[in-house]
Amino acid sequence: AQKITQTQPGMFVQEKEAVTLDCTYDTSDPSYGLFWYKQPSSGEMIFLIYQGSYDQQNATEGRYSLNFQKARKSANLVISASQLGDSAMYFCAMREAGGQAGTALIFGKGTTLSVSS
Amino acid sequence: GAGVSQSPRYKVAKRGQDVALRCDPISGHVSLFWYQQALGQGPEFLTYFQNEAQLDKSGLPSDRFFAERPEGSVSTLKIQRTQQEDSAVYLCASSLVPGAGNTIYFGEGSWLTVV
Repeated sequence: AQKITQTQPGMFVQEKEAVTLDCTYDTSDPSYGLFWYKQPSSGEMIFLIYQGSYDQQNATEGRYSLNFQKARKSANLVISASQLGDSAMYFCAMREAGGQAGTALIFGKGTTLSVSS
Repeated sequence: GAGVSQSPRYKVAKRGQDVALRCDPISGHVSLFWYQQALGQGPEFLTYFQNEAQLDKSGLPSDRFFAERPEGSVSTLKIQRTQQEDSAVYLCASSLVPGAGNTIYFGEGSWLTVV
């Protein structure tokens, strides 16, 4: 079964508007972390935001916020005030505690975001 | 160094050739990961080290793939007898300590093309 599901292959948004990128996950481990990464065409994987399974509040980092709905197992990324430089591939990822060592980070298939002026 | 460093950045290999890809994690980082990313796809997990111990190699696609981290810092991913389907970006990543909540930092990747 897929652990991370991103159902939007592509999203389009106008500059200065907000956009939500969807992510659902599947795990039976009560302790896990959820991550969002941005990958521009250059290929570098840039860390954006992190949400822990026990965190009470939704994570925020500047223009990025994570809409964490634990019961629905969703962790959507919200980008406010989109900029042209936000155009990139966005990946949702999860890491389970799996004991002391933790497990590998597992990625979804990604969403391509295109921001237009 | 300041970030995860990978070399070579670009490699063209003839089919059947062996290749070695190097990863220098962020200094002091205990966990190290290798991923394979095909064009337009998400990264696929290959293998995971905690210090020098290879804790998980379940993602290695065949016995032609081998990874090591002998001294718990630099890691090498070796691909023997390369095939065209091995063409991909190979990403290395590291995190300071194990555990679900620790940020994982990626290198820029090694772009492998097998011709």
